[in-house]
Amino acid sequence: EDKVVQSPLSLVVHEGDTVTLNCSYEVTNFRSLLWYKQEKKAPTFLFMLTSSGIEKKSGRLSSILDKKELFSILNITATQTGDSAVYLCAVVNSGNTPLVFGKGTRLSVIA
Amino acid sequence: SAVISQKPSRDICQRGTSLTIQCQVDSQVTMMFWYRQQPGQSLTLIATANQGSEATYESGFVIDKFPISRPNLTFSTLTVSNMSPEDSSIYLCSVTSGSSGGSTDTQYFGPGTRLTVL
Repeated sequence: EDKVVQSPLSLVVHEGDTVTLNCSYEVTNFRSLLWYKQEKKAPTFLFMLTSSGIEKKSGRLSSILDKKELFSILNITATQTGDSAVYLCAVVNSGNTPLVFGKGTRLSVIA
Repeated sequence: SAVISQKPSRDICQRGTSLTIQCQVDSQVTMMFWYRQQPGQSLTLIATANQGSEATYESGFVIDKFPISRPNLTFSTLTVSNMSPEDSSIYLCSVTSGSSGGSTDTQYFGPGTRLTVL
């Protein structure tokens, strides 16, 4: 059975800290891995990763995939209170199959 | 990326009633999905809405409880039938956006519908 595991489940940091969120997966016929940020209701797309070792970067957020060890990390530097959210990792299988989601990491950034 | 709208954004309903949630996309998309997110949980796929044919339901979800329509490539509805408090969740419409509509394309989510059943 396909599985996506995120860690930690929750995290509390102070503004300015750097955080690393982890996502490991076991899926058949892996195609890509997606990161989302969910603040209230709708997950907002952050990154799609398909190749190992190529960092995707957007402002203070960056992510990288390791297809050999089957994991991805999401880094957030100089965290701000606006980064407080649940961060979801999801994996795409081959074919038009649905995403497999992890349970998410709830990040709280305090001033 | 596709722009997705959902109606209603939230509702409070009585036990035993039904609610229909609408999802509208600003462009034609191949794949449309309906998810549920119960309080404190991650997203659970309810079904894939297929244009012109019956939806494909995931294990644990049935058509009688969650009937889905998809009359065209830009619109779908999900009905939550005979509601109970356990149906209180956020319901999210999602689409795959991209020229091929395949699974390598990014999946985008609508703003969600927060349902509370009393």
